[in-house]
Amino acid sequence: SAVISQKPSRDICQRGTSLTIQCQVDSQVTMMFWYRQQPGQSLTLIATANQGSEATYESGFVIDKFPISRPNLTFSTLTVSNMSPEDSSIYLCSVEVTGVAYGYTFGSGTRLTVV
Amino acid sequence: RKEVEQDPGPFNVPEGATVAFNCTYSNSASQSFFWYRQDCRKEPKLLMSVYSSGNEDGRFTAQLNRASQYISLLIRDSKLSDSATYLCVVNRYNDYKLSFGAGTTVTVRA
Repeated sequence: SAVISQKPSRDICQRGTSLTIQCQVDSQVTMMFWYRQQPGQSLTLIATANQGSEATYESGFVIDKFPISRPNLTFSTLTVSNMSPEDSSIYLCSVEVTGVAYGYTFGSGTRLTVV
Repeated sequence: RKEVEQDPGPFNVPEGATVAFNCTYSNSASQSFFWYRQDCRKEPKLLMSVYSSGNEDGRFTAQLNRASQYISLLIRDSKLSDSATYLCVVNRYNDYKLSFGAGTTVTVRA
Protein backbone atom coordinates (compact mmCIF):
# COMPACT_ATOMS: atom_id res chain seq x y z
CA SER A 1 0.00 0.00 0.00
CA ALA A 2 1.07 3.61 -0.51
CA VAL A 3 3.00 5.45 2.18
CA ILE A 4 2.37 9.17 2.59
CA SER A 5 4.77 11.59 4.20
CA GLN A 6 2.96 14.71 5.38
CA LYS A 7 4.50 17.80 6.87
CA PRO A 8 4.50 19.81 8.98
CA SER A 9 2.96 17.61 11.65
CA ARG A 10 1.82 20.65 13.59
CA ASP A 11 2.10 24.41 13.57
CA ILE A 12 0.89 27.41 15.49
CA CYS A 13 0.28 30.39 13.22
CA GLN A 14 -0.75 34.00 13.56
CA ARG A 15 -4.06 35.04 12.10
CA GLY A 16 -3.79 36.59 8.67
CA THR A 17 -0.82 34.45 7.65
CA SER A 18 -0.73 31.39 5.38
CA LEU A 19 0.54 27.86 5.87
CA THR A 20 1.45 25.36 3.18
CA ILE A 21 1.10 21.67 3.93
CA GLN A 22 2.94 19.09 1.84
CA CYS A 23 2.21 15.46 1.06
CA GLN A 24 4.66 13.15 -0.64
CA VAL A 25 3.56 9.69 -1.75
CA ASP A 26 5.99 6.82 -2.34
CA SER A 27 4.20 5.79 -5.54
CA GLN A 28 2.43 7.50 -8.41
CA VAL A 29 -1.24 8.15 -7.82
CA THR A 30 -3.84 9.75 -10.05
CA MET A 31 -5.81 11.58 -7.41
CA MET A 32 -4.95 13.02 -4.05
CA PHE A 33 -7.53 14.18 -1.58
CA TRP A 34 -7.39 16.85 1.09
CA TYR A 35 -9.53 16.62 4.21
CA ARG A 36 -10.16 18.72 7.25
CA GLN A 37 -11.05 17.29 10.66
CA GLN A 38 -12.26 19.88 13.10
CA PRO A 39 -12.05 19.18 16.83
CA GLY A 40 -14.39 16.39 17.87
CA GLN A 41 -15.73 15.93 14.37
CA SER A 42 -15.20 13.58 11.50
CA LEU A 43 -13.42 14.22 8.24
CA THR A 44 -14.72 16.62 5.60
CA LEU A 45 -13.38 16.57 2.05
CA ILE A 46 -11.92 19.92 1.00
CA ALA A 47 -10.86 19.12 -2.56
CA THR A 48 -9.60 16.52 -4.99
CA ALA A 49 -6.28 17.18 -6.71
CA ASN A 50 -5.43 15.73 -10.11
CA GLN A 51 -2.07 16.21 -11.74
CA GLY A 52 -2.21 18.60 -14.66
CA SER A 53 -5.57 20.15 -13.87
CA GLU A 54 -7.15 22.43 -11.32
CA ALA A 55 -8.34 20.92 -8.10
CA THR A 56 -12.03 20.23 -7.63
CA TYR A 57 -13.41 21.86 -4.50
CA GLU A 58 -16.31 20.72 -2.39
CA SER A 59 -19.14 22.97 -1.38
CA GLY A 60 -18.00 25.47 1.20
CA PHE A 61 -14.37 25.45 0.13
CA VAL A 62 -12.84 27.84 -2.41
CA ILE A 63 -9.57 28.04 -4.24
CA ASP A 64 -8.66 31.46 -2.91
CA LYS A 65 -8.79 30.18 0.64
CA PHE A 66 -7.31 26.71 0.02
CA PRO A 67 -5.09 26.82 -3.07
CA ILE A 68 -3.76 23.40 -4.05
CA SER A 69 -0.84 22.42 -6.20
CA ARG A 70 -0.27 19.06 -7.86
CA PRO A 71 2.94 19.34 -9.86
CA ASN A 72 3.42 15.59 -10.36
CA LEU A 73 1.93 12.21 -9.57
CA THR A 74 3.60 11.85 -6.17
CA PHE A 75 3.27 15.27 -4.56
CA SER A 76 0.68 17.84 -3.58
CA THR A 77 0.42 20.90 -1.39
CA LEU A 78 -2.51 22.57 0.33
CA THR A 79 -2.22 26.17 1.48
CA VAL A 80 -4.47 27.58 4.15
CA SER A 81 -4.58 31.30 3.34
CA ASN A 82 -5.32 34.35 5.43
CA MET A 83 -5.90 32.17 8.46
CA SER A 84 -8.34 32.82 11.24
CA PRO A 85 -8.91 30.88 14.48
CA GLU A 86 -11.79 29.04 12.75
CA ASP A 87 -9.19 27.36 10.52
CA SER A 88 -7.70 25.58 13.53
CA SER A 89 -8.09 21.97 12.60
CA ILE A 90 -6.30 18.84 11.50
CA TYR A 91 -5.62 18.70 7.77
CA LEU A 92 -5.01 15.33 6.12
CA CYS A 93 -4.15 14.18 2.64
CA SER A 94 -5.25 10.83 1.29
CA VAL A 95 -4.79 8.57 -1.71
CA GLU A 96 -6.64 5.57 -3.03
CA VAL A 97 -4.97 2.19 -2.54
CA THR A 98 -5.72 -0.64 -4.92
CA GLY A 99 -4.72 -4.25 -4.86
CA VAL A 100 -5.26 -6.88 -2.21
CA ALA A 101 -6.42 -4.40 0.40
CA TYR A 102 -8.54 -1.81 -1.35
CA GLY A 103 -9.17 1.42 0.48
CA TYR A 104 -7.74 4.83 1.13
CA THR A 105 -4.65 5.65 3.12
CA PHE A 106 -4.03 8.91 4.94
CA GLY A 107 -1.09 11.07 5.77
CA SER A 108 -0.33 11.52 9.45
CA GLY A 109 -2.06 14.89 9.48
CA THR A 110 -1.12 18.50 10.19
CA ARG A 111 -2.46 19.90 13.42
CA LEU A 112 -2.96 23.61 12.86
CA THR A 113 -3.65 26.13 15.59
CA VAL A 114 -4.34 29.73 14.60
CA VAL A 115 -3.91 32.33 17.32
CA ARG B 1 -30.06 14.02 6.82
CA LYS B 2 -26.36 13.18 7.04
CA GLU B 3 -24.97 10.83 4.42
CA VAL B 4 -23.49 8.54 7.05
CA GLU B 5 -24.75 8.26 10.61
CA GLN B 6 -23.26 6.37 13.49
CA ASP B 7 -24.09 5.86 17.13
CA PRO B 8 -21.38 7.96 18.79
CA GLY B 9 -21.25 5.72 21.85
CA PRO B 10 -19.21 5.54 23.92
CA PHE B 11 -19.33 1.79 24.27
CA ASN B 12 -17.56 0.85 27.47
CA VAL B 13 -16.91 -2.89 27.61
CA PRO B 14 -14.72 -5.21 29.69
CA GLU B 15 -11.88 -7.13 28.17
CA GLY B 16 -13.07 -10.25 26.46
CA ALA B 17 -16.54 -8.92 25.76
CA THR B 18 -18.20 -8.65 22.38
CA VAL B 19 -19.23 -5.24 21.12
CA ALA B 20 -21.19 -4.42 17.99
CA PHE B 21 -22.43 -1.24 16.42
CA ASN B 22 -24.02 -0.07 13.19
CA CYS B 23 -23.79 2.67 10.69
CA THR B 24 -26.50 3.81 8.28
CA TYR B 25 -26.00 5.50 4.94
CA SER B 26 -28.50 7.54 2.97
CA ASN B 27 -27.31 7.20 -0.62
CA SER B 28 -28.54 3.98 -2.21
CA ALA B 29 -25.92 4.46 -4.95
CA SER B 30 -23.17 3.84 -2.40
CA GLN B 31 -20.84 1.16 -3.62
CA SER B 32 -17.84 0.82 -1.35
CA PHE B 33 -17.89 0.56 2.41
CA PHE B 34 -15.12 0.64 4.95
CA TRP B 35 -14.46 0.64 8.63
CA TYR B 36 -11.56 2.81 9.73
CA ARG B 37 -10.00 3.03 13.13
CA GLN B 38 -8.80 6.36 14.49
CA ASP B 39 -6.76 6.63 17.64
CA CYS B 40 -6.60 9.89 19.53
CA ARG B 41 -4.58 12.51 17.62
CA LYS B 42 -3.75 10.05 14.84
CA GLU B 43 -4.83 9.65 11.25
CA PRO B 44 -7.57 7.15 10.32
CA LYS B 45 -6.29 3.69 9.42
CA LEU B 46 -8.16 1.16 7.36
CA LEU B 47 -9.53 -1.63 9.52
CA MET B 48 -11.41 -3.49 6.83
CA SER B 49 -13.41 -3.11 3.68
CA VAL B 50 -16.97 -4.39 3.86
CA TYR B 51 -18.15 -6.78 1.18
CA SER B 52 -21.67 -7.70 0.18
CA SER B 53 -21.33 -11.20 1.58
CA GLY B 54 -19.90 -9.96 4.83
CA ASN B 55 -16.34 -10.57 5.86
CA GLU B 56 -14.25 -11.45 8.83
CA ASP B 57 -10.73 -10.53 9.80
CA GLY B 58 -9.64 -12.20 12.99
CA ARG B 59 -11.82 -10.90 15.81
CA PHE B 60 -13.56 -8.38 13.57
CA THR B 61 -16.67 -9.12 11.51
CA ALA B 62 -18.32 -6.67 9.13
CA GLN B 63 -21.74 -7.03 7.58
CA LEU B 64 -23.52 -5.08 4.87
CA ASN B 65 -27.29 -4.84 4.51
CA ARG B 66 -28.07 -3.05 1.27
CA ALA B 67 -31.83 -3.31 1.63
CA SER B 68 -31.78 -1.44 4.92
CA GLN B 69 -28.69 0.58 4.01
CA TYR B 70 -26.56 -0.17 7.00
CA ILE B 71 -23.26 -1.77 7.81
CA SER B 72 -22.16 -3.24 11.09
CA LEU B 73 -18.95 -4.03 12.88
CA LEU B 74 -18.61 -6.68 15.56
CA ILE B 75 -15.54 -7.07 17.73
CA ARG B 76 -15.13 -10.35 19.58
CA ASP B 77 -12.90 -10.99 22.58
CA SER B 78 -12.19 -7.28 23.01
CA LYS B 79 -8.65 -6.23 23.87
CA LEU B 80 -7.52 -3.07 25.61
CA SER B 81 -5.84 -2.12 22.35
CA ASP B 82 -9.22 -2.07 20.59
CA SER B 83 -10.05 1.18 22.38
CA ALA B 84 -10.43 3.73 19.60
CA THR B 85 -12.94 5.60 17.50
CA TYR B 86 -14.32 3.55 14.63
CA LEU B 87 -15.28 5.49 11.52
CA CYS B 88 -17.84 4.24 9.03
CA VAL B 89 -16.84 5.36 5.52
CA VAL B 90 -18.84 5.11 2.32
CA ASN B 91 -18.27 6.08 -1.27
CA ARG B 92 -20.47 6.09 -4.30
CA TYR B 93 -20.10 4.16 -7.51
CA ASN B 94 -17.60 5.84 -9.86
CA ASP B 95 -17.14 8.64 -7.37
CA TYR B 96 -14.00 8.79 -5.32
CA LYS B 97 -15.45 11.06 -2.69
CA LEU B 98 -15.67 9.47 0.71
CA SER B 99 -18.38 10.25 3.21
CA PHE B 100 -17.42 9.76 6.84
CA GLY B 101 -19.54 9.02 9.84
CA ALA B 102 -18.78 10.95 12.99
CA GLY B 103 -17.35 7.83 14.60
CA THR B 104 -18.23 5.37 17.35
CA THR B 105 -16.03 5.46 20.42
CA VAL B 106 -15.16 2.13 22.01
CA THR B 107 -13.39 1.89 25.35
CA VAL B 108 -12.24 -1.52 26.55
CA ARG B 109 -11.50 -1.67 30.26
CA ALA B 110 -9.40 -4.16 32.17
